[in-house]
Amino acid sequence: KAGVTQTPRYLIKTRGQQVTLSCSPISGHRSVSWYQQTPGQGLQFLFEYFSETQRNKGNFPGRFSGRQFSNSRSEMNVSTLELGDSALYLCASSVQGGGNTIYFGEGSWLTVV
Amino acid sequence: GIQVEQSPPDLILQEGANSTLRCNFSDSVNNLQWFHQNPWGQLINLFYIPSGTKQNGRLSATTVATERYSLLYISSSQTTDSGVYFCAVESGGSNYKLTFGKGTLLTVNP
Repeated sequence: KAGVTQTPRYLIKTRGQQVTLSCSPISGHRSVSWYQQTPGQGLQFLFEYFSETQRNKGNFPGRFSGRQFSNSRSEMNVSTLELGDSALYLCASSVQGGGNTIYFGEGSWLTVV
Repeated sequence: GIQVEQSPPDLILQEGANSTLRCNFSDSVNNLQWFHQNPWGQLINLFYIPSGTKQNGRLSATTVATERYSLLYISSSQTTDSGVYFCAVESGGSNYKLTFGKGTLLTVNP
């Protein structure tokens, strides 16, 4: 069974641009969540989706947004990129969230210059 | 929100040695997972263990939920065990969200 797939794996953007990251969960998993990892802040929760509904959101500015499609695939978007948005963005999936095992993808490395 | 503390922050071992990593958390949890982050950044799931004890080869984990801590044991360590180990928890008060500790950086020397 395929794991969590994230695209693109690596990207470089310029300040002020926007970026969209994609995540395909494990087949049969309906919960998708996103995390940001930086050396200074560690791993921080961005948001979680289940059946196209956002159920929880972390403490990030409105420039960070996401959505989930009917096939459970998810995208996250960051608008007006700042240098501090440079990070590893990790997507995770689980059957339904809330006490289920969570599996992570390989991540998308974003560099903002 | 829930607090997660991992110790030690850094650990250096010789190949073949055993080690214990600890994770303390500040509230009751309905999910606790241990992860190993590989050099390419992926978080590899080691254990889903909100309570009890599990073993998988040279690795085992124990969570004592009533005392709010979990331990990860690595026996006969190998150089490939090197990397960062994270404990992450989900509490009832923060549904669908994992809160991570800062991790333990393990270095296993040949």
